Amino acid sequence: NAGVMQNPRHLVRRRGQEARLRCSPMKGHSHVYWYRQLPEEGLKFMVYLQKENIIDESGMPKERFSAEFPKEGPSILRIQQVVRGDSAAYFCASSQFITGGVYGYTFGSGTRLTVV
Amino acid sequence: GENVEQHPSTLSVQEGDSAVIKCTYSDSASNYFPWYKQELGKRPQLIIDIRSNVGEKKDQRIAVTLNKTAKHFSLHITETQPEDSAVYFCAEHNAGNMLTFGGGTRLMVKP
Repeated sequence: NAGVMQNPRHLVRRRGQEARLRCSPMKGHSHVYWYRQLPEEGLKFMVYLQKENIIDESGMPKERFSAEFPKEGPSILRIQQVVRGDSAAYFCASSQFITGGVYGYTFGSGTRLTVV
Repeated sequence: GENVEQHPSTLSVQEGDSAVIKCTYSDSASNYFPWYKQELGKRPQLIIDIRSNVGEKKDQRIAVTLNKTAKHFSLHITETQPEDSAVYFCAEHNAGNMLTFGGGTRLMVKP
C-alpha cells in the first residue's frame, strides 16, 4: 500500500499563475481532506470530499480556490491567480469511514507551494 | 462549532523527564481523539488515538487519557528522548466526519 500520494512535493509559481496540487488517497479510502499549514503554524482544514462530491468546504477561501475529487483519478486542489500569501504546505489526508467512526486518517507528504 | 484548544504551545524538557500536553474540545458528540507527531519538513504521523468508550490507552512510552465529562484529553510521554522533539497535534473527530486539530505543541527534549 503506497499510502497517500501527493504531487508535486515542491511547486514554485509566479504571482498570478495557477497552482494544481494532486492527491491520490490510500487504496480503499473514499474520503479526502485538504489542510493548509503556514510556517510555524497548525493544520487548517480547507475542504472534505468524497468521490464526485464536496461534503464540507467551510475552510476554503471564497475566491480563487477550488477542489474536486472525480470518479476516476486523484483529488485536485486548484489555486488560481496565486498570491504570496498562498505560500504554504498543503497536506492531503484520506480515510475510510466505517459505522462508528473514521478510520485510518493518514496524511500525504504534502506539497510545498512557494509563490515568487 | 468545533474548537480544540491545545496547551502548552511550547514545551522544553530534559531528556528522561516526562512531557504532558493537554487539549480541550467543545463538541460533546466528538468520539475519536488522535494525536499526531510532525517532525520538521515532514507529514503529520499518527502516534496514538483513543475512542470515546475508553478512558486511557498506552503504547510503550506514550499514553493518552480522555475525560469525556470535562471534555479534555492529554498526551503523556515518559522517559523522553531527543528524537521525541517535534510538533505534536491533538485532534477530535465529530459528526462532521473530519478531524479538527489543535494549534500544536512544539516539544524540545534537551540531551
